[in-house]
Amino acid sequence: GQQVMQIPQYQHVQEGEDFTTYCNSSTTLSNIQWYKQRPGGHPVFLIQLVKSGEVKKQKRLTFQFGEAKKNSSLHITATQTTDVGTYFCAGMNYGGATNKLIFGTGTLLAVQP
Amino acid sequence: NAGVMQNPRHLVRRRGQEARLRCSPMKGHSHVYWYRQLPEEGLKFMVYLQKENIIDESGMPKERFSAEFPKEGPSILRIQQVVRGDSAAYFCASSPPGHHYEQYFGPGTRLTVT
Repeated sequence: GQQVMQIPQYQHVQEGEDFTTYCNSSTTLSNIQWYKQRPGGHPVFLIQLVKSGEVKKQKRLTFQFGEAKKNSSLHITATQTTDVGTYFCAGMNYGGATNKLIFGTGTLLAVQP
Repeated sequence: NAGVMQNPRHLVRRRGQEARLRCSPMKGHSHVYWYRQLPEEGLKFMVYLQKENIIDESGMPKERFSAEFPKEGPSILRIQQVVRGDSAAYFCASSPPGHHYEQYFGPGTRLTVT
């Protein structure tokens, strides 16, 4: 079945350092979403990417969708302690019959002040 | 506009009992999704429903689990004869018409089976 993998599983950075998580799907995606989940919390929708090669920015966060629509990345510039949490990508299958999201394995970000 | 609501937030059940989890989607949302998250893992899709219809239940275990979204009232995820392996966080999400990829999650129900 379809798999969506993320690397790294865990990243520990000093406050002010940059952070990147990578998302790879075994199949072509029609779109990809990114979510953030704080410890003990629920996933919060961050952004959606649809077009091949698309790049979107939200303040210190930069999201990119690969040309082949099988991979994506999230880059955080100058991390802050408020960035702590697990970042999940979630893809929807190209040509899929339903609207279910396939979530990636997640990257847990720890930020040391 | 209230967000997705789930109750209870925490539920403790003994093995063999039934667990009933409720989800009220955001106002104006007619699509509901249930996901399960085991400790230290990602979210796994379980079922996708519209009012009075199950659209995709490919992620639901074949036995003991059922879901409904009646014309009136919240969506219900029912787990019969719970076992320890059912202990997890169960999240409900809803999406607005025409924007199925933009799913908004509720706070979740954390089920503990003792």
